[in-house]
Amino acid sequence: TQLLEQSPQFLSIQEGENLTVYCNSSSVFSSLQWYRQEPGEGPVLLVTVVTGGEVKKLKRLTFQFGDARKDSSLHITAAQPGDTGLYLCAKGRSQGNLIFGKGTKLSVKP
Amino acid sequence: GAVVSQHPSWVICKSGTSVKIECRSLDFQATTMFWYRQFPKQSLMLMATSNEGSKATYEQGVEKDKFLINHASLTLSTLTVTSAHPEDSSFYICSARVGGRGWALEQYFGPGTRLTVT
Repeated sequence: TQLLEQSPQFLSIQEGENLTVYCNSSSVFSSLQWYRQEPGEGPVLLVTVVTGGEVKKLKRLTFQFGDARKDSSLHITAAQPGDTGLYLCAKGRSQGNLIFGKGTKLSVKP
Repeated sequence: GAVVSQHPSWVICKSGTSVKIECRSLDFQATTMFWYRQFPKQSLMLMATSNEGSKATYEQGVEKDKFLINHASLTLSTLTVTSAHPEDSSFYICSARVGGRGWALEQYFGPGTRLTVT
């Protein structure tokens, strides 16, 4: 069972454009993490959101956690080629491990 | 920041042989480490949870006799793929968590090991 749905799966945009990717679940998250992974490397944690309605900003990246804690979004403003990568959302489990969504593969063309 | 290393970064082996992958937390002690597998164009799938000094907990569908995990110290976990076959070719990633329990504790990921079985 896929617990986390991410959309879109692929996104190709020009440098300077804005974009939003989404992470949804039918169940409530106790917390949610966003990671970015580049080819041939491990994921790097971007942010952890915990509280419903929470908004966190990391430079040009804005993360939002839904009020009902069933969804989250990542918005990138004025995308740069360096933003290219696989964006993964992950839900923490009680055992302490993570369940990952399938990811959104972002390509930003100069 | 916390650093996790993996060795080797890539390995090619012949079908039927065994391969050991090491995961080390370089500047912190990790009571729990996790092993993930990632096939091309797919997300990370948890294989097992490794706790220092105890047996690993495997996810459903992961053969514990094929993927041997040892977590003998607070800074080292190893994954041995025994009698590897081409379908075991994948990107293996470990992560390490600082002590305690619960989801809120951050995990730090290694750079991954690319295994190719010929």
